[in-house]
Amino acid sequence: EAGVTQSPTHLIKTRGQQATLRCSPISGHTSVYWYQQALGLGLQFLLWYDEGEERNRGNFPPRFSGRQFPNYSSELNVNALELEDSALYLCASSLAITGRLTDTQYFGPGTRLTVL
Amino acid sequence: RKEVEQDPGPFNVPEGATVAFNCTYSNSASQSFFWYRQDCRKEPKLLMSVYSSGNEDGRFTAQLNRASQYISLLIRDSKLSDSATYLCVVAGASGGYNKLIFGAGTRLAVHP
Repeated sequence: EAGVTQSPTHLIKTRGQQATLRCSPISGHTSVYWYQQALGLGLQFLLWYDEGEERNRGNFPPRFSGRQFPNYSSELNVNALELEDSALYLCASSLAITGRLTDTQYFGPGTRLTVL
Repeated sequence: RKEVEQDPGPFNVPEGATVAFNCTYSNSASQSFFWYRQDCRKEPKLLMSVYSSGNEDGRFTAQLNRASQYISLLIRDSKLSDSATYLCVVAGASGGYNKLIFGAGTRLAVHP
């Protein structure tokens, strides 16, 4: 069974540009999560989508946005890129299990975004 | 103060050693607790969930102390393949049950 996939693997942009990152969840998973892992920092929660709706958002400015498509894949858009946006962006997916409080999240390999 | 705090290490141990990692969390409303493992330049992978009663999976034992807001991971008989960064994760307080809050990780290096 295929895991979470992300594209592109690497992305290089310049300040002020926009970046679009893509994620395909494990087949059957309806929730998608985005996390940012900047160098030397821990993973920071960005966004959570479930059944096409944004369920939760981390402490990031509005220029970080995304969406989830009917096939449950997702896009993360970062507008007006800043140097400090350089990081590994990880996508995770999960399947809601009845009776479980927190669903197990399975991570993709990430997209490494470099802003010059 | 960070929501989840871990000793960054690195912990350098010989094969066969027993090593323990600790983690504290600040939000007493947290409901779910996990240890994830992240190899260099790879994605995090779930190692184990942590329950109040404590739980064991082979050489790995996890403990949770809700009163002290403290989580631990014990690795017995360390293998070279255990070398990785271990991430303490909590969820279920601010922002919902599926918003994972990660510690910065503890690096483990097992040497021959």
